[in-house]
Amino acid sequence: DAKTTQPPSMDCAEGRAANLPCNHSTISGNEYVYWYRQIHSQGPQYIIHGLKNNETNEMASLIITEDRKSSTLILPHATLRDTAVYYCIVRGWSGSEKLVFGKGTKLTVNP
Amino acid sequence: NAGVTQTPKFQVLKTGQSMTLQCAQDMNHEYMSWYRQDPGMGLRLIHYSVGAGITDQGEVPNGYNVSRSTTEDFPLRLLSAAPSQTSVYFCASSYAGQYGYTFGSGTRLTVV
Repeated sequence: DAKTTQPPSMDCAEGRAANLPCNHSTISGNEYVYWYRQIHSQGPQYIIHGLKNNETNEMASLIITEDRKSSTLILPHATLRDTAVYYCIVRGWSGSEKLVFGKGTKLTVNP
Repeated sequence: NAGVTQTPKFQVLKTGQSMTLQCAQDMNHEYMSWYRQDPGMGLRLIHYSVGAGITDQGEVPNGYNVSRSTTEDFPLRLLSAAPSQTSVYFCASSYAGQYGYTFGSGTRLTVV
């Protein structure tokens, strides 16, 4: 049972911000929102995660709505190397919570 | 170099052969997982472990065995390979709790 919904594909112009949406309307109180990406045939790469506050690191920003039912990953200045499949995952952190991937969003950054 | 190391990177097996995919991490991570990824598809969880001596099944465990005798190693065993197990296999590890997972570079397995 999918916990998140993402658009299958998106396009973005190089140098512009890429905003990737994710719906997680059934998220529970102890579940975090995680974002990973997978560049062609490589292992997935952790990007960022958050609980309820907005988060920023050197790779991206994560904006979580106040009701926590959706979030947006922002790549502020997309480059061609950001072309990848981006996965939004909801996961609890207590006990034996496993990391389960959905289908993700294929982001293509165009020159 | 710190990280998740998977061996071998490539492997061709004949139907019915057995083999072990190795996964080792040197970050003292408690959590480790195995995934498979078929062409054009997402990652599917095979087995995972939350610590030495503890393993559990993921979404697609049939045909695979795991054990976790040490914190560092989490081998994946194929007892009798089948063509349906042709895939790319990724191992990942994480600290317990909310932390993100670090993935290995994958093992590309072909069963003929």
